[in-house]
Amino acid sequence: GAVVSQHPSWVICKSGTSVKIECRSLDFQATTMFWYRQFPKQSLMLMATSNEGSKATYEQGVEKDKFLINHASLTLSTLTVTSAHPEDSSFYICSARDRVSGVYNEQFFGPGTRLTVL
Amino acid sequence: KQEVTQIPAALSVPEGENLVLNCSFTDSAIYNLQWFRQDPGKGLTSLLLIQSSQREQTSGRLNASLDKSSGRSTLYIAASQPGDSATYLCAPDTGGGNKLTFGTGTQLKVEL
Repeated sequence: GAVVSQHPSWVICKSGTSVKIECRSLDFQATTMFWYRQFPKQSLMLMATSNEGSKATYEQGVEKDKFLINHASLTLSTLTVTSAHPEDSSFYICSARDRVSGVYNEQFFGPGTRLTVL
Repeated sequence: KQEVTQIPAALSVPEGENLVLNCSFTDSAIYNLQWFRQDPGKGLTSLLLIQSSQREQTSGRLNASLDKSSGRSTLYIAASQPGDSATYLCAPDTGGGNKLTFGTGTQLKVEL
């Protein structure tokens, strides 16, 4: 149980285009989903927290107009990188909390999406 | 702001050795702490989660301890195997499931 998927697993795009990444909780409902970014040889940095049906909360320094997050259902959140540039190339990982999380409040992570902007 | 440090940054050991990975954090007001492994180019695999009220948690050859007051956690791996080679990340949670802060990880290589 507690499986999170991401699509696509990798994407290459031209500078200036927009890319959408999907994050799905496959066997549970997630009221809260998280988006992280990881640069090579660095750790994960939280970009934003999204709650189903409401606007995402962005971490300091993350441009909300560039990284659009939609969490329209209890099993799907999307991250759209608008007008992508080479410096946006990174590994993007989502995670989700089970709506019925019990005492553990654990986050379950997706396999990540490798974005390369040419 | 929570800051997480993991020592050592890299570790290479022969197969069969027992080893300890260290994690320290600056804000001791945590709800829990998770240990993950990450294989190259992959996502995270959760290994252990320790609640703030617990001192340790065990899963197979893995044992994680938590000293919340001093801001430290250790991950003990017994009888290491080549398949244990990966980067190990610790992440204390200061937001009740909503605020994980990751360390930079320990890159482990277990050699035959």
